[in-house]
Amino acid sequence: EAGVAQSPRYKIIEKRQSVAFWCNPISGHATLYWYQQILGQGPKLLIQFQNNGVVDDSQLPKDRFSAERLKGVDSTLKIQPAKLEDSAVYLCASSLPGGPQHFGDGTRLSIL
Amino acid sequence: AQSVTQLDSHVSVSEGTPVLLRCNYSSSYSPSLFWYVQHPNKGLQLLLKYTSAATLVKGINGFEAEFKKSETSFHLTKPSAHMSDAAEYFCVVSPSNNAGNMLTFGGGTRLMVKP
Repeated sequence: EAGVAQSPRYKIIEKRQSVAFWCNPISGHATLYWYQQILGQGPKLLIQFQNNGVVDDSQLPKDRFSAERLKGVDSTLKIQPAKLEDSAVYLCASSLPGGPQHFGDGTRLSIL
Repeated sequence: AQSVTQLDSHVSVSEGTPVLLRCNYSSSYSPSLFWYVQHPNKGLQLLLKYTSAATLVKGINGFEAEFKKSETSFHLTKPSAHMSDAAEYFCVVSPSNNAGNMLTFGGGTRLMVKP
């Protein structure tokens, strides 16, 4: 089966610019997650969707980060405006209910 | 509340020697535990998982881990390291009533394998 697809793989922007990441989960996986992984740390959950509804966004900095999952399949994560501390790898994962999470290769974001 | 501590940020072994990556956890629930591996510029791949069945769990690529409740540990082992095992390893905890969700990651252990 095809894995979790993410794009772009790399993105370089200047601070205060905006950026968007895209994720296509494994077919049939109702649950979708976005994680932020800062260099040298483990991933931190930003937001979890069940179909097109938000289950948990308690760790999402809502003043600058937003995410949506229209139609309950693909998802986009947006940062506006970006700060230097947002430099990280953004990972998308998906799962069946109660099943293990499958991760994409991530988007590496560098803020200049 | 739940947390994970990986006791070593870096581990270096020679090819063909045993691997031990240490993990301790804290959980208010009876937990599910996982080990994930991350190769450079790649996403995370599930190595193995413990979900309250057998305490010795076998995973892919010859890795295994033992759940020890009395020690709140879930150490990862492999009898003989290969060069391809060089990567970052994450120990992860989740409430057992929701085994795939609410993952809490440890800080990671970077495994280096010398020829």
